[in-house]
Amino acid sequence: LAKTTQPISMDSYEGQEVNITCSHNNIATNDYITWYQQFPSQGPRFIIQGYKTKVTNEVASLFIPADRKSSTLSLPRVSLSDTAVYYCLGVTSGTYKYIFGTGTRLKVLA
Amino acid sequence: GAVVSQHPSWVICKSGTSVKIECRSLDFQATTMFWYRQFPKQSLMLMATSNEGSKATYEQGVEKDKFLINHASLTLSTLTVTSAHPEDSSFYICSATPFGGHHYGYTFGSGTRLTVV
Repeated sequence: LAKTTQPISMDSYEGQEVNITCSHNNIATNDYITWYQQFPSQGPRFIIQGYKTKVTNEVASLFIPADRKSSTLSLPRVSLSDTAVYYCLGVTSGTYKYIFGTGTRLKVLA
Repeated sequence: GAVVSQHPSWVICKSGTSVKIECRSLDFQATTMFWYRQFPKQSLMLMATSNEGSKATYEQGVEKDKFLINHASLTLSTLTVTSAHPEDSSFYICSATPFGGHHYGYTFGSGTRLTVV
């Protein structure tokens, strides 16, 4: 399982694009990078998952460079409701076991 | 699709009593479910892996006799906190995925807030 490192916290303003970078130097060939969002007193919610290059869905984009030692979650035009903790996980294919790191506490300001 | 339901959403119990938390996969079957614990302002900590029809696998440092896990069917896993004490007060969360679904991410329940008084 990849050990991940993220900034503890970030502040942003409404309408801005937010990029959260995650470092995973020991990522294995079979590992996928997965991001989750968690609001207070709720379970984490799946945001996006990728293996390499760029993945985009309706809520976010995920950029993974060729060496796969880091990844960047991009949230376009954040709103106050995006204030949450964002977790980056390295998930090994076939293990189904998630180990959460510290996460990044994003605070969106008006 | 892929909805995981937890019950109850919150519970208060007296010290020394036992509390059971249910985790159900509503629209899919799950041979494996996971139980996590989360203290305030901390990350999720994996407690155990619940396997349908067999014994659960506990993470290092988690007391299996205190946190009893039963996965009796493909849609239900239960976590029983036995002889609860105030230090067991925490947010308990389960997760599951449909067969071979790890590429689509695990679905988490909404969590259960346990307060032991």
